[in-house]
Amino acid sequence: EAQVTQNPRYLITVTGKKLTVTCSQNMNHEYMSWYRQDPGLGLRQIYYSMNVEVTDKGDVPEGYKVSRKEKRNFPLILESPSPNQTSLYFCASSPQGNGYTFGSGTRLTVV
Amino acid sequence: SQQGEEDPQALSIQEGENATMNCSYKTSINNLQWYRQNSGRGLVHLILIRSNEREKHSGRLRVTLDTSKKSSSLLITASRAADTASYFCAFIMNRDDKIIFGKGTRLHILP
Repeated sequence: EAQVTQNPRYLITVTGKKLTVTCSQNMNHEYMSWYRQDPGLGLRQIYYSMNVEVTDKGDVPEGYKVSRKEKRNFPLILESPSPNQTSLYFCASSPQGNGYTFGSGTRLTVV
Repeated sequence: SQQGEEDPQALSIQEGENATMNCSYKTSINNLQWYRQNSGRGLVHLILIRSNEREKHSGRLRVTLDTSKKSSSLLITASRAADTASYFCAFIMNRDDKIIFGKGTRLHILP
């Protein structure tokens, strides 16, 4: 089944403890992206990647890192999480210029 | 802001009625897409309309695009309880493949 898989689905962590949210797609898509969704603010892009070894900042990149060493994987790294990074995170992928397939989301709480 | 703007922010209609949501954007686009999101879940791609198209249909969905007005509308005919969700427009700008999401319309279908 064609899909984007994110893990974990839920995560509660403490301020400053490094964490990684994984994202993997099995559709050989070039484009991958991370979003956070907050009430009243909609979906905001954190980082995106147009192909392997190519990553670019989105609208809200501060406090996040990404890497794209393989086409299928696009992990999101929070080196030192803070409470304002509590949010619902989505990974998405697409063949360039077409519809996106989204993961099921990761609900992160930083206390 | 580069974000698209949906109108209305929220909409409640009786089951069986038609629902219309609108989206406006500010820049020239490559294509415009509509997505549905059930509460807390990932977005599901509904339909894509390219900048050289004016109207597109998919089942009970009808999308129009007016590039001169920089606006699009999504019509859901004969609404059902299962259509209750948030609907987002998203567009890919001409200058790159970055996708921009609007803040969404919350649609509630009343039994």
